[in-house]
Amino acid sequence: KAGVTQTPRYLIKTRGQQVTLSCSPISGHRSVSWYQQTPGQGLQFLFEYFSETQRNKGNFPGRFSGRQFSNSRSEMNVSTLELGDSALYLCASSPGLAGGPGGELFFGEGSRLTVL
Amino acid sequence: DAKTTQPPSMDCAEGRAANLPCNHSTISGNEYVYWYRQIHSQGPQYIIHGLKNNETNEMASLIITEDRKSSTLILPHATLRDTAVYYCIAVAYSGGGADGLTFGKGTHLIIQP
Repeated sequence: KAGVTQTPRYLIKTRGQQVTLSCSPISGHRSVSWYQQTPGQGLQFLFEYFSETQRNKGNFPGRFSGRQFSNSRSEMNVSTLELGDSALYLCASSPGLAGGPGGELFFGEGSRLTVL
Repeated sequence: DAKTTQPPSMDCAEGRAANLPCNHSTISGNEYVYWYRQIHSQGPQYIIHGLKNNETNEMASLIITEDRKSSTLILPHATLRDTAVYYCIAVAYSGGGADGLTFGKGTHLIIQP
């Protein structure tokens, strides 16, 4: 079974630009969660989507948004990029809602964003 | 979600059992204990989870104390590839879902040859 696929793996942007990251979950998984990982803050929750609906959102500004399509694929967008947005963005899928029974997360390799 | 406390680092000899402790003294009845690990430059990997009972799978065993205030992840025969940061997480889950997982700093497990 194919794992979680994230594209692109690496990208460089400049301040003020926007970026869209893509995530294809494991086949049959309906939940997709996004996390930001930085050396200083560790892994921080961005949001979770289940059946095209945002179920939970972390403490991030409105510049961070996401969506999920009917085939469970998900995208996240960051607008008006800031230097502090440089990070590894991880997507995770799970068979059920994250955190509960059947809610174990399966992570992709991440998209490493550098903002100059 | 309950706060978890883990030692920042641990060493273990290759071939021996690695026992990673986690304290979650404020855990509530609807909180699951999840363990993940992250090998350098890779995404975190799910290991195991449990609510009340001990659990075992092909990767590890999870021992949860009767009062649920602490747990231990056991890697029965550690190999060099088990060197990673291990995260213990307590996740409050209701039928409507859970808040995002809070990963904390984890334990950096180093397997010594």
